[in-house]
Amino acid sequence: QVQLVESGGDLVKPGGSLRLSCAASGFTFSDHYISWIRQAPGKGLEWVSYISTSSFTEYADSVKGRFTLSRDNAQNSVYLQMNNLRAEDTAVYYCSRGHYGMDVWGQGTTVIVSS
Amino acid sequence: ETVLTQSPGTLSLSPGDRATLSCRASQSVRSNFLGWYQQKPGQAPRLLIYSAGTRATGIPDRFSASGSGTDFILNIVRLEPEDFAVYYCQQYGNSPRTFGRGTRVEI
Repeated sequence: QVQLVESGGDLVKPGGSLRLSCAASGFTFSDHYISWIRQAPGKGLEWVSYISTSSFTEYADSVKGRFTLSRDNAQNSVYLQMNNLRAEDTAVYYCSRGHYGMDVWGQGTTVIVSS
Repeated sequence: ETVLTQSPGTLSLSPGDRATLSCRASQSVRSNFLGWYQQKPGQAPRLLIYSAGTRATGIPDRFSASGSGTDFILNIVRLEPEDFAVYYCQQYGNSPRTFGRGTRVEI
């Protein structure tokens, strides 16, 4: 079935790095944009980044220069490299599929930035 | 960036009622590229509407949406118990993409 599965969430110290992965199955991965959206504890949704089918990327101002999104169509995966992490990056990170509306979502992976 | 203001913050209703949720953008949303999402506790969001008024696959027709430019509305008629959740609007017509802060529909 159509599915996205995130992994890589962890507890990390401020200033540290983490790489999140999003593995896709059940659809032609290379035909779709993939986005990351995060949700801090008890808060609303925050769009983080997307990567297009041609690997063009955009980022929220809050992560620009610290996060890098890439994709590997051979592995049906996208990777969110997160550097210089801050406490305010603590959240559940979701990956999702789609450009005109995000119609498939993963279950999320939790990132906690704390000393 | 395009700020999306959702109102009201909380809507207290009963099953069978009609819900009207508003999403106002700080600037015109290009091509009315606006979506609505439903999120229940502990779950990932679910796409309800895209391009301001088109229901996503499998979304019942009690959900409808409209709007253009800066003003968008999500209507839910005949609320079912499973409709009590938080609803977010998101615009993807302007850079960067942004979400509203959500409207909680509660019993």
